[in-house]
Parts: sequence; C-alpha cells; structure tokens
Amino acid sequence: DAGITQSPRHKVTETGTPVTLRCHQTENHRYMYWYRQDPGHGLRLIHYSYGVKDTDKGEVSDGYSVSRSKTEDFLLTLESATSSQTSVYFCAIRGTTGGWGTEAFFGQGTRLTVV
Amino acid sequence: AQSVTQLDSHVSVSEGTPVLLRCNYSSSYSPSLFWYVQHPNKGLQLLLKYTSAATLVKGINGFEAEFKKSETSFHLTKPSAHMSDAAEYFCVVSGGADGLTFGKGTHLIIQP
Repeated sequence: DAGITQSPRHKVTETGTPVTLRCHQTENHRYMYWYRQDPGHGLRLIHYSYGVKDTDKGEVSDGYSVSRSKTEDFLLTLESATSSQTSVYFCAIRGTTGGWGTEAFFGQGTRLTVV
Repeated sequence: AQSVTQLDSHVSVSEGTPVLLRCNYSSSYSPSLFWYVQHPNKGLQLLLKYTSAATLVKGINGFEAEFKKSETSFHLTKPSAHMSDAAEYFCVVSGGADGLTFGKGTHLIIQP
C-alpha cells in the first residue's frame, strides 16, 4: 500500500470552531490533493498542491484553506466549521512518472461531523 | 475542461452473472481514464487504468474496461460477479495538475 496517512480518522466538532486535518505521505510524491465525499456527488476536489508552498483551489474550496510546508505533509483547515462541511475527507497523492496517466493513491479518509 | 458521467447510480446483479458499469467521459484532449472501487467505510483502490496503450485494459479481481474513443466511453465489465464485488465504483478522468475528475459513482449490489 502507498504510504499515506490521514489524521484524525474521526472527529466531531462544533459549529464555528477551526479544524485541521493532516495528510502525511512517505512516497515523496509531488502532487497532493484533498477531496470531500458526499452521497450523490462522488469525490469533489477542495484544494491541491503541486509542490512545497504551491497550492491551488479546486471545485469546492470556499471555507477551506491548505498549507504545505514540507513535501510529506498537506494540511486542510476549515476556518470556521459549518454543518455543510460534515463529510468524509480524503487525501490523495500522485507521482509524475506516468505523466497525467499516473494514478492517485488515497488515504483511508477522515469522517468529520460538525454539530 | 473534462467531465465524467456514470450512467447508473445503482446496478444489481445476481452472483455468477456478468457485470456492466457504464461510464462516458468528456475531455478536450486524449484522456487518461481510471476505475476505482470503494468498499464500505474504506478508502479508494485502483481497479485499472487506460493511458493510450491498449484499448482493452485488464485490472484486478477479473475486471476489465474498454476505451472507445468514438463513443467516448470506458465501460467496466466482469464476466462473473462475486459477493465480494459489492461496493461503490468510480469512473475517473485525468486532466492536468488539478488531479482527477470523478463520476458520481455506481453502487453495485450482488444478489445471492
């Protein structure tokens, strides 16, 4: 299995509080991604990173920020959690050896509940 | 821009019968295409991928998919379903640095 770890795996938080999710990889892959998964929507891209300190927005970035200060770590922060951000969050990593045909590897997911 | 449409949100088959999960894609250039599987409360696992080599792609667990450019399709098949195939399946197209675009998923149900 690809070396990718998400933490925490489960979290319950209150509306209005900040929350940070962590993704850690041991593969030294260039690209890292945060997705959210909701029923009927598949996985939707929140933010991605193409290198240390290089990040960009995805399809559903409002209310989220990211940081990547080291190759191995990609943090997702919910600045002020809302109930609409209750979801399962997946981190993915992707190398470059096969160009855009290179597959992504996914973490086990973080189930976040905002109450 | 790119997009993926999975034509069925749910597919139910009997154990031992063939499986067909349908996927159409849209892409401005030659795409790379993937199928991922997600078992309940698990992460996503790569089943197979197409990257402009052979149009018939074989994956794990007896699955295969055929890339048809004229039909912009990448349907997933398996000759004989097994109970362990029950899961959510995602068709995915690759664009550029911004990663992968997912279909909304097909829930495969296997009847005993």
